[in-house]
Amino acid sequence: AQSVTQPDIHITVSEGASLELRCNYSYGATPYLFWYVQSPGQGLQLLLKYFSGDTLVQGIKGFEAEFKRSQSSFNLRKPSVHWSDAAEYFCAVGRGKTSYDKVIFGPGTSLSVIP
Amino acid sequence: SAVISQKPSRDICQRGTSLTIQCQVDSQVTMMFWYRQQPGQSLTLIATANQGSEATYESGFVIDKFPISRPNLTFSTLTVSNMSPEDSSIYLCSVRTGQLNTEAFFGQGTRLTVV
Repeated sequence: AQSVTQPDIHITVSEGASLELRCNYSYGATPYLFWYVQSPGQGLQLLLKYFSGDTLVQGIKGFEAEFKRSQSSFNLRKPSVHWSDAAEYFCAVGRGKTSYDKVIFGPGTSLSVIP
Repeated sequence: SAVISQKPSRDICQRGTSLTIQCQVDSQVTMMFWYRQQPGQSLTLIATANQGSEATYESGFVIDKFPISRPNLTFSTLTVSNMSPEDSSIYLCSVRTGQLNTEAFFGQGTRLTVV
C-alpha cells in the first residue's frame, strides 16, 4: 500500500530565507505526487503536482518540487519565504491519476515564518 | 476543476447523537472521497463512495459508524453515528475530476465538535 512520510513535523524559517520541506513516499508503481497547503482555518489548496515528464515541477506562489525516483522523494522548495507562507503543508500520493484513485496524505509539516 | 459545497460548515453535537454531512459537487463525478482531519493531524481517508454501490471503507473505519449514501453523481452524505468526543474533527469531501492528470479537490470541510 502507498504511504507518505514527512520527516519534519515543524519548521521555522526567517522571512526571505530559502525553504525545503521533505517528503518520502512508498509505492510500488509510478507515483502521482502532490503538495497541498492549508492555511489556518482555510481549506486545502494545491501547490503543484507531478505525474510524469520533467522531474522539476513548478507550482503556484513560487514553489517548486523535485521528484527523485532513486530516493523516493518529492521535496518542496521555495527560494525566498514570505510571512504569508506560514501554514501546514501536506505531501500526498495518488494510487493512480484518474478520478477513481484515492489520494493518501502525509502527516504534514507546519511552517512558521519569523520576521 | 470542481466546486464542492459542504453542509453544515460546523456543528456542536451531544455525545450519542448522529450528524449527517452533505456534499454537493458542481459536476458529475464517479468517485467521492470522505476524509477526516483530527485536530492538529493530517487527512485520513475514511471511505470511497461510488454511485450505485456500497462505499468502500479504509482500515479502521466501519459502515455502522460512518454510513455513506451516494444517491447520484453529484451528491453524497456521510453520517457520523453515536458520536463521542473522539469524533471531533474536520470532515472533508473530495473528488478527482477528469480523465487524466487529476488532482483532488476539496470542500471547505465540516468542523464537528462533540460535547
